[in-house]
Amino acid sequence: ILNVEQSPQSLHVQEGDSTNFTCSFPSSNFYALHWYRWETAKSPEALFVMTLNGDEKKKGRISATLNTKEGYSYLYIKGSQPEDSATYLCAFSNQAGTALIFGKGTTLSVSS
Amino acid sequence: GAGVSQTPSNKVTEKGKYVELRCDPISGHTALYWYRQSLGQGPEFLIYFQGTGAADDSGLPNDRFFAVRPEGSVSTLKIQRTERGDSAVYLCASSSSGGSTDTQYFGPGTRLTVL
Repeated sequence: ILNVEQSPQSLHVQEGDSTNFTCSFPSSNFYALHWYRWETAKSPEALFVMTLNGDEKKKGRISATLNTKEGYSYLYIKGSQPEDSATYLCAFSNQAGTALIFGKGTTLSVSS
Repeated sequence: GAGVSQTPSNKVTEKGKYVELRCDPISGHTALYWYRQSLGQGPEFLIYFQGTGAADDSGLPNDRFFAVRPEGSVSTLKIQRTERGDSAVYLCASSSSGGSTDTQYFGPGTRLTVL
């Protein structure tokens, strides 16, 4: 069974705080790691697709790193804002053309 | 441009009834996926279409679930004899060609409640 683990399950931070989450995945037959942000009542929004060991991607205040050898990815949010409140999902694929295997997500709540 | 759309946004039905959930993918996307998110879980794969054909239906839980994509665009997920355990958010996603590095673009989901 292929498992994707995300931690923490949830967290609450104050506006301006920086934070990070972890995604762990099986490192064998790795193809790609995807990060999504899912706000309530909206569609999951794609943040990053990462494929190479050591990849670092950035989108505004959000960045992600990838370690395929040890099977983990970190998502960082710098200077959290209330609009960052959402569930952050990671998903990995281990075979070209097949479905994503998702973790349960990390739910972030940012207070102003 | 238009994203992935799903209808209805909410569906309440009674145990034993039949339901159909519709997905309109992004125009030109050949790959279409259905996922299901139950309470407290991440989205779980159900079925993947490449064009009109189901390339991988290994995630369908049992033979009460069936999906079609007759013209390679719109897809319908059909659930027969619904059970309370089928209550979940059903998500549809499309991607340009179905490669593992392609971004999958998701719709807002259909929340199914089986009473």
